[in-house]
Amino acid sequence: EAGVTQFPSHSVIEKGQTVTLRCDPISGHDNLYWYRRVMGKEIKFLLHFVKESKQDESGMPNNRFLAERTGGTYSTLKVQPAELEDSGVYFCASSLGLAGGSDEQYFGPGTRLTVT
Amino acid sequence: KNQVEQSPQSLIILEGKNCTLQCNYTVSPFSNLRWYKQDTGRGPVSLTIMTFSENTKSNGRYTATLDADTKQSSLHITASQLSDSASYICVVSARGTGGFKTIFGAGTRLFVKA
Repeated sequence: EAGVTQFPSHSVIEKGQTVTLRCDPISGHDNLYWYRRVMGKEIKFLLHFVKESKQDESGMPNNRFLAERTGGTYSTLKVQPAELEDSGVYFCASSLGLAGGSDEQYFGPGTRLTVT
Repeated sequence: KNQVEQSPQSLIILEGKNCTLQCNYTVSPFSNLRWYKQDTGRGPVSLTIMTFSENTKSNGRYTATLDADTKQSSLHITASQLSDSASYICVVSARGTGGFKTIFGAGTRLFVKA
């Protein structure tokens, strides 16, 4: 069974440009999460989808970030326009969504974004 | 404020030795605590998940403990191997009105040397 995949693995863009990150969760996982680790800091939650609906987007830093999950399958995270502080590693995770919130989350390898 | 503190920041041990990593949290209301292993350039991989009622859980050579009263957890690695070299991240989830809030610790970087 394929795990969570993310594309691209690396992206280098200039300040002001737009970048779109993609996440393909494990098939059948209704829950999809986006996280980010900026340099030297801990991983932080960005948002949570349940199928195609945004369950919690309290971690999104500002309106330059837009996440979508059309059809409840893959998800995209767009940053427009990118700023220097957006550099970091963006992780996606998926889970089945068992009751109680203790279901296992499976992480993708991450996309390393560098904004110059 | 919900926080997860891990210690030590980094640790060097010899292959075959045991080690214990610590995690203290102030997350409330507590839902569950997870330990992840993250190899360089890879995403975190789940080692253990513990809820409020569980005080120990094992996964091979990894044993996690949880003291919900003192809000402390530890991850014990037995008979370390070179492949155990990685970052170990403690993650605590809190139940909120909109769902679950997930707070990550900064991780402990473990180096196992031959």
